[in-house]
Amino acid sequence: SQQGEEDPQALSIQEGENATMNCSYKTSINNLQWYRQNSGRGLVHLILIRSNEREKHSGRLRVTLDTSKKSSSLLITASRAADTASYFCATDPPGSGNNRKLIWGLGTSLAVNP
Amino acid sequence: DGGITQSPKYLFRKEGQNVTLSCEQNLNHDAMYWYRQDPGQGLRLIYYSQIVNDFQKGDIAEGYSVSREKKESFPLTVTSAQKNPTAFYLCATKGGSGNQPQHFGDGTRLSIL
Repeated sequence: SQQGEEDPQALSIQEGENATMNCSYKTSINNLQWYRQNSGRGLVHLILIRSNEREKHSGRLRVTLDTSKKSSSLLITASRAADTASYFCATDPPGSGNNRKLIWGLGTSLAVNP
Repeated sequence: DGGITQSPKYLFRKEGQNVTLSCEQNLNHDAMYWYRQDPGQGLRLIYYSQIVNDFQKGDIAEGYSVSREKKESFPLTVTSAQKNPTAFYLCATKGGSGNQPQHFGDGTRLSIL
């Protein structure tokens, strides 16, 4: 079942600008994960943030997590045309054990214009 | 993801035909997953397997079957009972326990002839 919701559904920006995508979810979580998908390709993991963490960085990516609001944001700074892709959040709910059935959002489609 | 190979990249199915999608991994991961992705949509879980010779249904298992005879391989069969099989199919793996991400293959696009 899809419980994550990304916002906005689509985002178009100019190269060099920052891009912010949001993810809201409904259940408690062990962690929240962000993935990127280029057109016609598989997903690539970007960042995993645990429920007891509030912020993580990886290069030009910054992820925040607010468990009280059940929301997360992904910030891409100084965007490049190569960042054009769909971005998905996935939540890992407690109680799923080692099977780890992630709950996926519907994604944000980002277009970075040169 | 270099450690997960999905084949073929494109597949066409005739009416009444079963087709099998291959997923092979060399990451030594225990857990493997099959997802279906429709245009502009997120991922829906078809089947998953934690260990060899064991697998569980996901959210949309009807019309699909799997096997897990080897740790490295998790093939998905799309049967004739699946009336709307046209979609992008993604295989994923996960290693270790606890807070680990999934790793994905490059997908198979299945279409109806």
